[in-house]
Amino acid sequence: NAGVMQNPRHLVRRRGQEARLRCSPMKGHSHVYWYRQLPEEGLKFMVYLQKENIIDESGMPKERFSAEFPKEGPSILRIQQVVRGDSAAYFCASSPVATGVELFFGSGTQLSVL
Amino acid sequence: DQQVKQNSPSLSVQEGRISILNCDYTNSMFDYFLWYKKYPAEGPTFLISISSIKDKNEDGRFTVFLNKSAKHLSLHIVPSQPGDSAVYFCAARGSNYKLTFGKGTLLTVNP
Repeated sequence: NAGVMQNPRHLVRRRGQEARLRCSPMKGHSHVYWYRQLPEEGLKFMVYLQKENIIDESGMPKERFSAEFPKEGPSILRIQQVVRGDSAAYFCASSPVATGVELFFGSGTQLSVL
Repeated sequence: DQQVKQNSPSLSVQEGRISILNCDYTNSMFDYFLWYKKYPAEGPTFLISISSIKDKNEDGRFTVFLNKSAKHLSLHIVPSQPGDSAVYFCAARGSNYKLTFGKGTLLTVNP
């Protein structure tokens, strides 16, 4: 049973470009969470999704950031017009139930904005 | 405003001894507390959790203690092993099942 798969592992973008981060949850998991880790910081909640629904996006910046978890395919975190401050590690986690207690994390995508 | 604080950025212990990692929180509405372990270039891995209605949970070498009146929890690892060397994150579950993480403590277990 494969774990949570994130790709790419590393993503380099120039300021103003778009970044697309993908996350395939573990098989049978319908709950997906995105977290961001800035240097020297803990993980910060961004968004919680179930299939085709955004449950809680209170941690998402209001502009330029969006997330989706379609019926088919991976969850996508999209950052438009990236800025240097978006440089961070972005982790996706999945869970089979909505409790949010034991999350299974992917290895993350390291986004670097030049 | 940091709701979950890990005040020790790093901790170094000898193999075989006890490791104690500490965590403080401010939000009394948190109902579950968790510890995650993270190796470089990997995602966090769940280690152990405790409900807010308990004061202790044990799993093998790992024990988590919760002191609600002090809003403090700790993770004890006994005996410590070199493979335990990693960053340990304390996390707390709040509304809508969101986890709030501390900044982490780097544990180094010396052979």
